[in-house]
Amino acid sequence: DADVTQTPRNRITKTGKRIMLECSQTKGHDRMYWYRQDPGLGLRLIYYSFDVKDINKGEISDGYSVSRQAQAKFSLSLESAIPNQTALYFCATSDRGPGNQPQHFGDGTRLSIL
Amino acid sequence: AQSVTQLGSHVSVSEGALVLLRCNYSSSVPPYLFWYVQYPNQGLQLLLKYTSAATLVKGINGFEAEFKKSETSFHLTKPSAHMSDAAEYFCAVSDLQGKLIFGQGTTLQVKP
Repeated sequence: DADVTQTPRNRITKTGKRIMLECSQTKGHDRMYWYRQDPGLGLRLIYYSFDVKDINKGEISDGYSVSRQAQAKFSLSLESAIPNQTALYFCATSDRGPGNQPQHFGDGTRLSIL
Repeated sequence: AQSVTQLGSHVSVSEGALVLLRCNYSSSVPPYLFWYVQYPNQGLQLLLKYTSAATLVKGINGFEAEFKKSETSFHLTKPSAHMSDAAEYFCAVSDLQGKLIFGQGTTLQVKP
């Protein structure tokens, strides 16, 4: 089984709908992240959490919210989806410590908003 | 503020040829630097990381990268490309908290 699992893997929905993307991990890591990937832009950080009671905005948090339900679970919500939120979304985890801890990624959720 | 620039969004090499993917960074503190690879329909996998122990870093699948402070570069190389190396490659710099700032990515094509 994958260490970092994202559900769903693919989702097509309509403008204005509320969507939740889920991430769970078995690595025992405290830190979790949500990114979006767009062609030519690399990955950009949406939100991150360094422990269960910690939530922080990233570079592009507008239009998104998150919930850290447990150490192992971190979900991303789009309250009212819009077409420019069509992208590939990744969840990642890392161990606590200085910035040299590598991040471990899920396989991504491909989200299309019509 | 930290940033990463990858020169060349697409690189094409022949099988067996040298692979060189370029990455330049900007950081106000000694950087932690990473290279990740993304195969189709998969997440990112760590290739290698620089954490100041040695300037030449060896990674998986025969890749290595050299940290050059004077040039603010961390280019990725592999002596001989294999068809299985075709993928997208990302360079990233970490801030002191561990948040990653990614470059734009470079797609490597390997021709038979």
